[in-house]
Amino acid sequence: AQSVAQPEDQVKVAEGNPLTVKCTYSVSGNPYLFWYVQYPNRGLQFLLKYITGDNLVKGSYGFEAEFNKSQTSFHLKKPSALVSDSALYFCAVRVALGSYIPTFGRGTSLIVHP
Amino acid sequence: DTGVSQNPRHKITKRGQNVTFRCDPISEHNRLYWYRQTLGQGPEFLTYFQNEAQLEKSRLLSDRFSAERPKGSFSTLEIQRTEQGDSAMYLCASSLDAGEADTQYFGPGTRLTVL
Repeated sequence: AQSVAQPEDQVKVAEGNPLTVKCTYSVSGNPYLFWYVQYPNRGLQFLLKYITGDNLVKGSYGFEAEFNKSQTSFHLKKPSALVSDSALYFCAVRVALGSYIPTFGRGTSLIVHP
Repeated sequence: DTGVSQNPRHKITKRGQNVTFRCDPISEHNRLYWYRQTLGQGPEFLTYFQNEAQLEKSRLLSDRFSAERPKGSFSTLEIQRTEQGDSAMYLCASSLDAGEADTQYFGPGTRLTVL
């Protein structure tokens, strides 16, 4: 079984401040982890993924995420938020060497205010 | 644009009618996935094709739902006898068979409203 929790429905930050969107996961085995962003009335856009190797993964638009195996977390971060980063963010997990079907979290709404 | 495309983008129908959605994946991608997304939720898996073979189906995919990918390129998702509970965004994604590095790329979705 695999599951994802995004504990915050909404995150608010001021433009220019660092942002963190939290994700924790549960899998039976090694995880593959993904972050996607969704703008209103649009599909999901791939940001970054962790498969293996360096725990700090860099992705699109200045986003990065840190894989922490002991805490079973994969938090999304950005050093300096932009108003245009305001969107829905989804974390997803699937188990290594298993099905190619990921399980998505419920999403976190990021609001960056000027 | 060489991304995943979906048509129509919006569909309004009356309860009991049949609807069909189309997905055109990224051209070299051999895997194609259908998801359903309702407000406040992440995408929920419906079904998955590798080339023309339908390899997995979710329990969410009732008998009223059918999906095809006849030539391993585009795919259609049909919902028969629609119900109000079918109202949702239907998302299609595709991926290249790259082993464990498989990453899905999503289309813009088809928003279905059943009146």
